[in-house]
Amino acid sequence: GAVVSQHPSWVICKSGTSVKIECRSLDFQATTMFWYRQFPKQSLMLMATSNEGSKATYEQGVEKDKFLINHASLTLSTLTVTSAHPEDSSFYICSANSIGNTIYFGEGSWLTVV
Amino acid sequence: DAKTTQPTSMDCAEGRAANLPCNHSTISGNEYVYWYRQIHSQGPQYIIHGLKNNETNEMASLIITEDRKSSTLILPHATLRDTAVYYCIVRSINTGTASKLTFGTGTRLQVTL
Repeated sequence: GAVVSQHPSWVICKSGTSVKIECRSLDFQATTMFWYRQFPKQSLMLMATSNEGSKATYEQGVEKDKFLINHASLTLSTLTVTSAHPEDSSFYICSANSIGNTIYFGEGSWLTVV
Repeated sequence: DAKTTQPTSMDCAEGRAANLPCNHSTISGNEYVYWYRQIHSQGPQYIIHGLKNNETNEMASLIITEDRKSSTLILPHATLRDTAVYYCIVRSINTGTASKLTFGTGTRLQVTL
């Protein structure tokens, strides 16, 4: 299947700082990417839909000024958690819509805010 | 997207077939049934999807009832590495748009020796 890669796999940052997570589609172009968040022992929660060249669409309750999403090219979307706080610590997962309309997921990125 | 109902957990002996059911009684005509699984601390892995015909690939088989209100994912010979949370998701496919995947709670499959 198609390959989606995230970087970094895990990151620790200090409270109040910002951290960027990258999501790349390695062998296909993705006009649409999705960002999810997952807390321990819970299911994946969709945060936003990222469309190349346009603004992201955020799910209800997700602060767009806190979770900045940029999809500047057909193979790269980034999620920046601004002014991170300990409650933002979570597993962040991206996915991309491939040719044939199947969605493939990245490996996920663990964020710990201390 | 239509909602799905799955059992919370299931056990399966290694080497035996694992049959994971899913109810999607409100599925619409343009909605596909997708199955993903998530092994602990990893991103979800695509398994298979179908519209109304049964489907098979190298990982699993998908059996969809004639009225499309339910389906079963079959892992023909479960191994310990198949222990994961399995998600059944219905998703519309509209030409020119990419609809999102909405995850429920899934079925936690435990494969045992």
